[in-house]
Amino acid sequence: EPEVTQTPSHQVTQMGQEVILRCVPISNHLYFYWYRQILGQKVEFLVSFYNNEISEKSEIFDDQFSVERPDGSNFTLKIRSTKLEDSAMYFCASSEEGTRNTEAFFGQGTRLTVV
Amino acid sequence: QQQVKQSPQSLIVQKGGISIINCAYENTAFDYFPWYQQFPGKGPALLIAIRPDVSEKKEGRFTISFNKSAKQFSLHIMDSQPGDSATYFCAASPRYGNKLVFGAGTILRVKS
Repeated sequence: EPEVTQTPSHQVTQMGQEVILRCVPISNHLYFYWYRQILGQKVEFLVSFYNNEISEKSEIFDDQFSVERPDGSNFTLKIRSTKLEDSAMYFCASSEEGTRNTEAFFGQGTRLTVV
Repeated sequence: QQQVKQSPQSLIVQKGGISIINCAYENTAFDYFPWYQQFPGKGPALLIAIRPDVSEKKEGRFTISFNKSAKQFSLHIMDSQPGDSATYFCAASPRYGNKLVFGAGTILRVKS
């Protein structure tokens, strides 16, 4: 069964450092997303990406965040200068069409710990 | 208001019982309502979903009931099993937009 894969599974970084979280979406999917889940809280939307550009982003997704699809398979989330409050589980997801029309498949997540 | 309110926060049900989780929303622009199941260490996985043109959808032991006028929807898990123990999230997607707005989650524990 096709799945979304994320690397690394856990990343520890110093406050102020840049981190890149990596995702390989399902191959025939066209829409890509990042969500995050702070420990014990709900899953929050960060950004959606279609046709090589951001289609929607939340208030959380400020100038410290960026996304990129550097090649035909990877989808990355970069946090430029990490803060303590960026510590969370980050989930990548993908879907064939938009989330209203087809299922969004989630990866297993990357746990980011900022110290 | 881009929020989905979910209750209860946690739920303990005996094996064979019915688990009921409720969600409410305010934004009438939402028109797709999925439920996601999440096991520890895994990402959320779609369980069942409904659109507001139907009042109920059933898939196996899982049923969504939808009340458009009250802006509420609920998940019923019939004959609950220990393997159903997980966190359940309701979500909503707006008509114009491409994202999921999640509820706070319900931790379900089914006792054998």
